[in-house]
Amino acid sequence: GAGVSQSPSNKVTEKGKDVELRCDPISGHTALYWYRQSLGQGLEFLIYFQGNSAPDKSGLPSDRFSAERTGGSVSTLTIQRTQQEDSAVYLCASSREGLAGGNEQFFGPGTRLTVL
Amino acid sequence: SQQGEEDPQALSIQEGENATMNCSYKTSINNLQWYRQNSGRGLVHLILIRSNEREKHSGRLRVTLDTSKKSSSLLITASRAADTASYFCATVRGSTLGRLYFGRGTQLTVWP
Repeated sequence: GAGVSQSPSNKVTEKGKDVELRCDPISGHTALYWYRQSLGQGLEFLIYFQGNSAPDKSGLPSDRFSAERTGGSVSTLTIQRTQQEDSAVYLCASSREGLAGGNEQFFGPGTRLTVL
Repeated sequence: SQQGEEDPQALSIQEGENATMNCSYKTSINNLQWYRQNSGRGLVHLILIRSNEREKHSGRLRVTLDTSKKSSSLLITASRAADTASYFCATVRGSTLGRLYFGRGTQLTVWP
């Protein structure tokens, strides 16, 4: 079956513009996660969805970052008024369930965001 | 914030040799997982070991976990050039089930 897909694969934007990143998880996976990876910070957790609700959004770095998930499937990560420090690869992952723990997470290929 | 620390940061070996990477973490965990990443994209899950397990095998991979020392090791036996990648350990804590806390990774290079 299809894996986790993300779009776009690359996004170049100007400082101050808003961007939307999309994630399509594996069908049937109830848990969805956003991480970002940058040279200076490594892999950082951003937010976790169980179904359409987000029990853990503690990793969002500022109020410019928001995410939603609809229909228990597709998720969108929105960054408003982008800054150069937002440049990173944004990775989405899904797993069968999150709360029970112990399930492997399947990662998408990521979106490379560059803010000029 | 980072949870784990891998060492070495970089490892360079010849094909056929074994590669050992270590990971240490700070808080109690539910399980520990190892992931592999090629070319800065797309992490692939390799193996998961639960906090009540001490050793696990999967093909050429062997993972150990010592919860008293809060450390884990990943051994790749008979390495191949195709094993060249970054390897990350990631932990799941009991208090925040689901999310992964990643270390900074070990860059493994296997020379043919």
